[in-house]
Amino acid sequence: DAGVIQSPRHEVTEMGQEVTLRCKPISGHNSLFWYRQTMMRGLELLIYFNNNVPIDDSGMPEDRFSAKMPNASFSTLKIQPSEPRDSAVYFCASSLQGGNSPLHFGNGTRLTVT
Amino acid sequence: QQQVKQSPQSLIVQKGGISIINCAYENTAFDYFPWYQQFPGKGPALLIAIRPDVSEKKEGRFTISFNKSAKQFSLHIMDSQPGDSATYFCAARGGYSTLTFGKGTMLLVSP
Repeated sequence: DAGVIQSPRHEVTEMGQEVTLRCKPISGHNSLFWYRQTMMRGLELLIYFNNNVPIDDSGMPEDRFSAKMPNASFSTLKIQPSEPRDSAVYFCASSLQGGNSPLHFGNGTRLTVT
Repeated sequence: QQQVKQSPQSLIVQKGGISIINCAYENTAFDYFPWYQQFPGKGPALLIAIRPDVSEKKEGRFTISFNKSAKQFSLHIMDSQPGDSATYFCAARGGYSTLTFGKGTMLLVSP
């Protein structure tokens, strides 16, 4: 089991640039989550998908953020244009839908916007 | 509105001591309470979880104590080891809702 795979591990970009974060969930998992982690706010849920369909995007901070899941094995989180306050670690997690199936997190993408 | 309040924010414990992290919640619909452990540069990973029909669950050196009437639950790490140094998150979920995480506790176990 390769676990949840995220890329890139680190991203440094200038303010105003577009940033795309990528995630490959665990095969067979049908729920996918994007989280943002900062010291001030902890782990914040941005959006989650069930069976590739966005269910709740109320955590997406602004229209600059968008997420897609074109198929069961791939998801992207895009920030356009990026701002310094977007600097954080972004995690993708997957799980089986329903019950108390545990979340399996990737190792995150550390984003720095200068 | 923070639905799961976690304390302390940071904790230093000597090797062999007991680490205690506390969480409190408001939503009585919560019925699943996991703890996640996160090492630097890694994503959080499930450590142990409890449902409110029991007051305690133990797995090795890790124990969850649950007080339904007080709406509180805690993680106890017995015989704490330097390898336990990590950030710990409590969380809660009810029904088909998503997990709500506490803000985390940075634990340092000194040798």
